[in-house]
Amino acid sequence: KQEVTQIPAALSVPEGENLVLNCSFTDSAIYNLQWFRQDPGKGLTSLLLIQSSQREQTSGRLNASLDKSSGRSTLYIAASQPGDSATYLCAAPGGGTSYDKVIFGPGTSLSVIP
Amino acid sequence: DGGITQSPKYLFRKEGQNVTLSCEQNLNHDAMYWYRQDPGQGLRLIYYSQIVNDFQKGDIAEGYSVSREKKESFPLTVTSAQKNPTAFYLCASSPRDRRPYNEQFFGPGTRLTVL
Repeated sequence: KQEVTQIPAALSVPEGENLVLNCSFTDSAIYNLQWFRQDPGKGLTSLLLIQSSQREQTSGRLNASLDKSSGRSTLYIAASQPGDSATYLCAAPGGGTSYDKVIFGPGTSLSVIP
Repeated sequence: DGGITQSPKYLFRKEGQNVTLSCEQNLNHDAMYWYRQDPGQGLRLIYYSQIVNDFQKGDIAEGYSVSREKKESFPLTVTSAQKNPTAFYLCASSPRDRRPYNEQFFGPGTRLTVL
């Protein structure tokens, strides 16, 4: 059964700093992994979906990498801004025959201090 | 604009009442999902549907029921059997008929509070 963890649980950085959020998964037979952003009291916004055939996916200041062999994905945020403050969640496929299901990590709560 | 709508945004339930949360999508997606989110926790799957007139239980289905009579709609009923229903409920959909099959798109959520 797929399990997804995220480290750290919370992170506070000064504005302008580059930072890395980590996501680990136990079933490496995945074909993609998705990163989301969630603002307080809101739904999830998809940031990046990285396919297993890709090692990296970029969108603006965001870069996601995927290493299936080690069961890890990272989300790199360059030149952080106060507007980046939110909770970031990763989600991996449920594994086995559950290809329609995804398993979410608990999230990393990011605070960017002006 | 294509997207997912959920209503109401806030819902209050008295003890012993059943309430229904609405989820509608115009993305022409086959699969739809209901998740529950508790403070400081990740999302847990309640029910999902891969196609009209079919649905499967997720990890925490007890006390909940769903229907999928139309492709666009996947309402969730929180029954009186659900002992601790206060939470944030999120609906999502995914295309299933094209890659990436399981890419999830979310609605804005409904916050349910038991009085």
